[in-house]
Amino acid sequence: DGGITQSPKYLFRKEGQNVTLSCEQNLNHDAMYWYRQDPGQGLRLIYYSQIVNDFQKGDIAEGYSVSREKKESFPLTVTSAQKNPTAFYLCASNAGGRETQYFGPGTRLLVL
Amino acid sequence: GENVEQHPSTLSVQEGDSAVIKCTYSDSASNYFPWYKQELGKRPQLIIDIRSNVGEKKDQRIAVTLNKTAKHFSLHITETQPEDSAVYFCAACEKLTFGTGTRLTIIP
Repeated sequence: DGGITQSPKYLFRKEGQNVTLSCEQNLNHDAMYWYRQDPGQGLRLIYYSQIVNDFQKGDIAEGYSVSREKKESFPLTVTSAQKNPTAFYLCASNAGGRETQYFGPGTRLLVL
Repeated sequence: GENVEQHPSTLSVQEGDSAVIKCTYSDSASNYFPWYKQELGKRPQLIIDIRSNVGEKKDQRIAVTLNKTAKHFSLHITETQPEDSAVYFCAACEKLTFGTGTRLTIIP
């Protein structure tokens, strides 16, 4: 899982501001995922992409947007429509389907 | 969609004893079941997984059992050590629906 990087490690958002979280992988994985983790809680799926130029909503997609223009990259934008964005955001990737997911180190988003 | 329930939410065991965490799932088509360990502030790390064509898998002190008929699977940790203290998550299904986690504390 060292092949997945996320930046920044910490991110601060002001009211009404859109922010973008970066996720890059060099594992040649087809599928990439974004999860949100709240303190003491499990992981909830925001968006996932099984192939370049295609992505699907997860369980909590409202207030978020993604793009998948390159196989290696799957950025997540937290829009101003997301009223409670404070959380730990984890990106993951795998070879697709029922293969092991590997996680990035995460980005902690805080609201000013 | 898939629903995964995990129990217990917290578990404390004496060092050297065994710990068992259980998960149930709803989608009978699920056939891949990983377990992740997450230390505070870190990323989840895969510790063991099982596919539906086997009923049990073991890796040193860690084992996972799967009962497809009853739609549940369990993580077993034997001879627990302080470094086993962490939050453990189960998952099921292709998009990996996660359980809510179990905070395991090993008492020295």
